[in-house]
Amino acid sequence: DQQVKQNSPSLSVQEGRISILNCDYTNSMFDYFLWYKKYPAEGPTFLISISSIKDKNEDGRFTVFLNKSAKHLSLHIVPSQPGDSAVYFCAARVGANNLFFGTGTRLTVIP
Amino acid sequence: DSGVTQTPKHLITATGQRVTLRCSPRSGDLSVYWYQQSLDQGLQFLIHYYNGEERAKGNILERFSAQQFPDLHSELNLSSLELGDSALYFCASSVEGGEGAFFGQGTRLTVV
Repeated sequence: DQQVKQNSPSLSVQEGRISILNCDYTNSMFDYFLWYKKYPAEGPTFLISISSIKDKNEDGRFTVFLNKSAKHLSLHIVPSQPGDSAVYFCAARVGANNLFFGTGTRLTVIP
Repeated sequence: DSGVTQTPKHLITATGQRVTLRCSPRSGDLSVYWYQQSLDQGLQFLIHYYNGEERAKGNILERFSAQQFPDLHSELNLSSLELGDSALYFCASSVEGGEGAFFGQGTRLTVV
């Protein structure tokens, strides 16, 4: 049972434009959400997170939005850069427990 | 460098064999998680240990087992290997209640 879903396996965006990656979840008990970025042959690296008590968190070019009523979160990257090309995983957890990951979205930023 | 060390980086073995993957967490992290990533798949949670005790189990096969030792390093044992067990196996560690987990570079297991 996939509790965290990323329905878009891939996304292509022109350099300088906005990239929007989406994630849906089913477990209303999730109270913390994270985005990870993964390059080939490397482990995932933490990018940005958001607590369920917030609806937005911003860190430089990266902003995560959380819509609890829709059980949906998104990651916005503005402006997109070629170095942002990677696989992005959405993850969620309940308390201090294990992370549940989505299947990932491969972002390609075209120069 | 995340501070999480996994060995070996690559492993090729035959069907029916048994292998052990090792993970050293970041200094001070008590939690260790194991994840499996098959080709073009997401990260599937296998098991979570906290300070030596099993805390949660995910989609871990009965042929697989894990443990966390007093020095907090962890081992994932995979036995009676099948071709379908070929995957990337990631270990991650975190502090209790920490923002997120920090991942190692993974062990690529190929079963032939």
